[in-house]
Amino acid sequence: KQEVTQIPAALSVPEGENLVLNCSFTDSAIYNLQWFRQDPGKGLTSLLLIQSSQREQTSGRLNASLDKSSGRSTLYIAASQPGDSATYLCAVRPAANQAGTALIFGKGTTLSVSS
Amino acid sequence: NAGVTQTPKFQVLKTGQSMTLQCAQDMNHEYMSWYRQDPGMGLRLIHYSVGAGITDQGEVPNGYNVSRSTTEDFPLRLLSAAPSQTSVYFCASSYGKGDAFFGQGTRLTVV
Repeated sequence: KQEVTQIPAALSVPEGENLVLNCSFTDSAIYNLQWFRQDPGKGLTSLLLIQSSQREQTSGRLNASLDKSSGRSTLYIAASQPGDSATYLCAVRPAANQAGTALIFGKGTTLSVSS
Repeated sequence: NAGVTQTPKFQVLKTGQSMTLQCAQDMNHEYMSWYRQDPGMGLRLIHYSVGAGITDQGEVPNGYNVSRSTTEDFPLRLLSAAPSQTSVYFCASSYGKGDAFFGQGTRLTVV
């Protein structure tokens, strides 16, 4: 059974720091991996989608990497800002799932950036 | 574009009552799914659909029913609400195995 783990569960940094959020998964047979942001009381907003054949994706100050063979992904946030404070969720879409629609989520990393 | 729309945003039910959580998307996505989010448990898949007329169970389907009569709509039915169904419910859609889009959630309390 695919399991997704995110470390750390919570992270506090001062504004301006570069930081890395970690995601690991137990089964390397994935179709893609997606990083989401969730603000308190809100829905999930997609940040980056990495296909299984890709090594990384970038969007602005965000860079996500994928090492499928070792079951790891990282989300790098450059020059953090207070507006980056949120919970970050990692989800994998298993390749073996017949419907291919079942995202499996980690429990998230709650980031707090202080000014 | 409206994206994925969920209604209602908040609901309080008494134990044993029934209700339907609505989910609609205007992106012509084939795949739709329902998740529940609970503290310490993360998001767990309830039911999913790969197209009109096709549904299947996820990780935690007990107590919930779904149907998919149109591409746009994927309602989630609670037949007899229980306190254990107190949660935040999210609907998601995607075009195939691509980017998943989520609604804003329905916060349900069963007393």
